[in-house]
Order: sequence, then C-alpha cells, then structure tokens
Amino acid sequence: DGGITQSPKYLFRKEGQNVTLSCEQNLNHDAMYWYRQDPGQGLRLIYYSQIVNDFQKGDIAEGYSVSREKKESFPLTVTSAQKNPTAFYLCASSITGTAYSNQPQHFGDGTRLSIL
Amino acid sequence: AQSVTQLGSHVSVSEGALVLLRCNYSSSVPPYLFWYVQYPNQGLQLLLKYTTGATLVKGINGFEAEFKKSETSFHLTKPSAHMSDAAEYFCAVGGYTGGFKTIFGAGTRLFVKA
Repeated sequence: DGGITQSPKYLFRKEGQNVTLSCEQNLNHDAMYWYRQDPGQGLRLIYYSQIVNDFQKGDIAEGYSVSREKKESFPLTVTSAQKNPTAFYLCASSITGTAYSNQPQHFGDGTRLSIL
Repeated sequence: AQSVTQLGSHVSVSEGALVLLRCNYSSSVPPYLFWYVQYPNQGLQLLLKYTTGATLVKGINGFEAEFKKSETSFHLTKPSAHMSDAAEYFCAVGGYTGGFKTIFGAGTRLFVKA
C-alpha cells in the first residue's frame, strides 16, 4: 500500500544538538510538507516543497531546515537554533503543488520530539 | 487571507446522539474546504472535502458536511455517534491565494460517552 513513512516515531534531543526527522512517500506525489503540532494550536506549516530541488519557508521556519533531493524524500532537520523544539511533527504530501491548494493532503503518523 | 475557526475545543456527546462540529472560515477567494480526523499519536486522515459542485458532501465513516456560503460555514455532522468516533477533528481551508497553503483550524476533540 502506498503511504507516507515517518521515522523515528519518538526522538530525543540534547541541548545544542541537531536532529533529522525522516519522511518518505511512495505515492508519487509532487508536493510535500512539514507541520508542527502543539496542543490546542492545530497545525503550523514549517516548510513545503512543490517539486524536487525546490522548497519554501512556511509560517515557522526559523530553527528548521529541509532538503528535497528526491521526489520521495523530504527530511526535516531541527537545529540547535530552535529553542522550543518539543512537539509532534507531521509530514504530508499531495498530488500536485499548485497555488490552488485544492488537493487533500496525506499524512504520516508523525514523530514526537522531546528535549532531554 | 484565509482563516478557519472551529467553535469549541472540546465536544462531548452520548453514543447514538447527533455529532455536530462547527467550522467557520474566512476567505477572499472561493474556498476549498476539508475535514480531517486524527486519532492519538497518528497523522491526519481525510474525512471529506468540498471543492466545487454539490454543497452537501458525504465522507467516510458516516460523516457529512454542508458548505454554506452565506454563513461562511462548513459544519461536520454525523447522525449517530459511535465510540470509535472519539478523536480530534480539524477543519481546513485552501484556495487560490497566490501562495500555497492550506490553513488548519485549531481542532475539536470529540468525546463519546457510553
């Protein structure tokens, strides 16, 4: 079955450490997204990518970085510059990356990041 | 600009009762509207979507929603709640904004009492 795989499911970060969250999709979708979810705040967009080798900042990109070298993969790095990284991180994809935002998004099962 | 407001962060119903989760949106362009469901420690799953055409949209698991342009609403309903419906529900709005975003509401957690 096609879908989105996020790994690891749980991740712990030490102070001053960078960590990378993996997101892989086999849906042949062009667009991919990273969201951060905090209790009571819904989903906030970190980064998105419409096509390979291209990505744009979302609403809360500071302290995060991404790459999109392959269509299937969109890893997110949480850098030491992100002072409050404890959250649930969700990766998503959609068929196309048009400006119409009319495509539903397919989500992975998330990675929960905590600070040691 | 677009925004979504979900009325009520928590809703509690008895099993077998009507489920009504409220969503109001603001959009300067024709909206595309979505409802997603999230179970604990999982990602979001699409319940239903409205893009164009019929304003009453049927989704999975017996849910439906009606797009009311005059009220800028897209409320989610289910005639009879089941224990398995307990989850968090998110309303979302997309549409051509010259940008590339789907805006999610803050979510409504549904509790179902036996």
